[in-house]
Amino acid sequence: DGGITQSPKYLFRKEGQNVTLSCEQNLNHDAMYWYRQDPGQGLRLIYYSQIVNDFQKGDIAEGYSVSREKKESFPLTVTSAQKNPTAFYLCASRQTSGAEAFFGQGTRLTVV
Amino acid sequence: GQQLNQSPQSMFIQEGEDVSMNCTSSSIFNTWLWYKQDPGEGPVLLIALYKAGELTSNGRLTAQFGITRKDSFLNISASIPSDVGIYFCAGSGAGGTSYGKLTFGQGTILTVHP
Repeated sequence: DGGITQSPKYLFRKEGQNVTLSCEQNLNHDAMYWYRQDPGQGLRLIYYSQIVNDFQKGDIAEGYSVSREKKESFPLTVTSAQKNPTAFYLCASRQTSGAEAFFGQGTRLTVV
Repeated sequence: GQQLNQSPQSMFIQEGEDVSMNCTSSSIFNTWLWYKQDPGEGPVLLIALYKAGELTSNGRLTAQFGITRKDSFLNISASIPSDVGIYFCAGSGAGGTSYGKLTFGQGTILTVHP
């Protein structure tokens, strides 16, 4: 089945540790996105990529890093510089910049 | 940067009532998307709009792309309990530094009483 896979579903980390969230898609989509969602809040854009080996900062990029070495993969690293990393993280992809976007099931990150 | 204002923030309605929510933007968009999110899940696409003035339906849902390209609305007719969830609008940038960027509204939390 084609789709977007985020793993793991739940992730626990100690404060001060970097952690990498996985996002893989087999839809052959060019563009991929990372969003953060806090309880009762909307989706805030962290990073996005429209093509392999290129990505742009979103509205809340500080404390995060990404890479886009392969078309199907867009991992997000939450670094120790992110002051409040506990949140629900969502990855999305779409064929082109103007097309509809499809989401993975999300990763809930808890930092203790 | 782009900002989307979605309203209302929450709605409490009786089963069978119609629902209306809208989004306004400070920027022009080329695409408007409407999503529904269930707790702990990723948003699911409901309707996609690509042209100013476009009116599109999906079952009991109807959405319109505003003529100014800075707004969109979503209507749900004859609501049912499974309509409960959070509804988001999203706009795709028209160009320049916003090209490729997909911005979301704050969401409308819908509660339907049987």
